Amino acid sequence: DTGVSQDPRHKITKRGQNVTFRCDPISEHNRLYWYRQTLGQGPEFLTYFQNEAQLEKSRLLSDRFSAERPKGSFSTLEIQRTEQGDSAMYLCASSLNPGTGGSEQYFGPGTRLTVT
Amino acid sequence: SQQGEEDPQALSIQEGENATMNCSYKTSINNLQWYRQNSGRGLVHLILIRSNEREKHSGRLRVTLDTSKKSSSLLITASRAADTASYFCATPMNSGGYQKVTFGIGTKLQVIP
Repeated sequence: DTGVSQDPRHKITKRGQNVTFRCDPISEHNRLYWYRQTLGQGPEFLTYFQNEAQLEKSRLLSDRFSAERPKGSFSTLEIQRTEQGDSAMYLCASSLNPGTGGSEQYFGPGTRLTVT
Repeated sequence: SQQGEEDPQALSIQEGENATMNCSYKTSINNLQWYRQNSGRGLVHLILIRSNEREKHSGRLRVTLDTSKKSSSLLITASRAADTASYFCATPMNSGGYQKVTFGIGTKLQVIP
């Protein structure tokens, strides 16, 4: 399977704990995106990388959130001191460099986080 | 904030009927995309239409774009139960930036067999 993969698919954690999610994009894609989606809403942009450089971060990404893409391949999203409001589906997507006119993003299955 | 807004928020039709969903957006764009999401799963890209295009087809899907009205529509013809999903339009965050897109809240389509 050469699609975007995410691990784990589900995570239940207690408030205050740290969690880390992993995303493996499609191998030739140099852009990688993280989104958060809550029930009944569309995905909200969190951050994106071009190769290993983190080019933009949403204001939604508080200081407790950090994302890395150390070698320009897989990426990790860490949430420290989780809060119940962090419960959501975390989606990763990748794409080729869009050039003019935009390009489609390929999404992974998501990691569903539940903070108790 | 989310730029695109889908309408209606929910739609229920019988199998075989056509389903039309609309998307309105606020700022100038150079492309607009439609995605589908089955319950609890990741999004699947359906179609991308560029600002210089008015209509685009892909199988049973037809997308239109009216940049003067800042709106787009997605038509699914001869719907099937498997089309049951949420449908999102996605637009670039700003007119020159296609580094990221914003999604609307989606239209939840139910196709009744």
